[in-house]
Amino acid sequence: DAKTTQPPSMDCAEGRAANLPCNHSTISGNEYVYWYRQIHSQGPQYIIHGLKNNETNEMASLIITEDRKSSTLILPHATLRDTAVYYCIVRVEYGTASKLTFGTGTRLQVTL
Amino acid sequence: SAVISQKPSRDICQRGTSLTIQCQVDSQVTMMFWYRQQPGQSLTLIATANQGSEATYESGFVIDKFPISRPNLTFSTLTVSNMSPEDSSIYLCSVSNRLTDTQYFGPGTRLTVL
Repeated sequence: DAKTTQPPSMDCAEGRAANLPCNHSTISGNEYVYWYRQIHSQGPQYIIHGLKNNETNEMASLIITEDRKSSTLILPHATLRDTAVYYCIVRVEYGTASKLTFGTGTRLQVTL
Repeated sequence: SAVISQKPSRDICQRGTSLTIQCQVDSQVTMMFWYRQQPGQSLTLIATANQGSEATYESGFVIDKFPISRPNLTFSTLTVSNMSPEDSSIYLCSVSNRLTDTQYFGPGTRLTVL
């Protein structure tokens, strides 16, 4: 799987959009971008994933650049409950290589 | 997504003893996985629990230390054997319907070994 690079930490004011970047410059054409978050040592929570088109669900939006070398997770209106470690993972969706490999993630702190 | 529970949620154990952690899912799933998260670290995959056959372990993890059972499509156990303080971690199970599907995680078991 391609390696990802994320900033170790970010701050965001409550009510503002949180934009979390992820660099995956060596991503292959068949690798998906997944985002999970982990709130204070709970089990990781799936957020969203995509291949090359932008994706949106009830939790977040995922913007993937045209060359697929980077992506941004957007939480449109961050709340204190969004404070967590956010993991960006690239993953093929076939065979044993599809296992998840977690990096160190971005610690997002949402403040009043 | 499936509802996943783990027991115990936390435990404090003495070195040299063993602890069995249970993972229960409210619906049948094909794939079950076990992860470890050491203090301040990210998650590491221990093994894939296979129903009806031996688990598939990742590099650095062995069956004698982390025996796994998977008797059916909704339940799995992970045993941490002959524990030492270095085994103090959060242990998490995850599930998916296929190997390539999105994985969903249980709440984790926080283990402290004294």
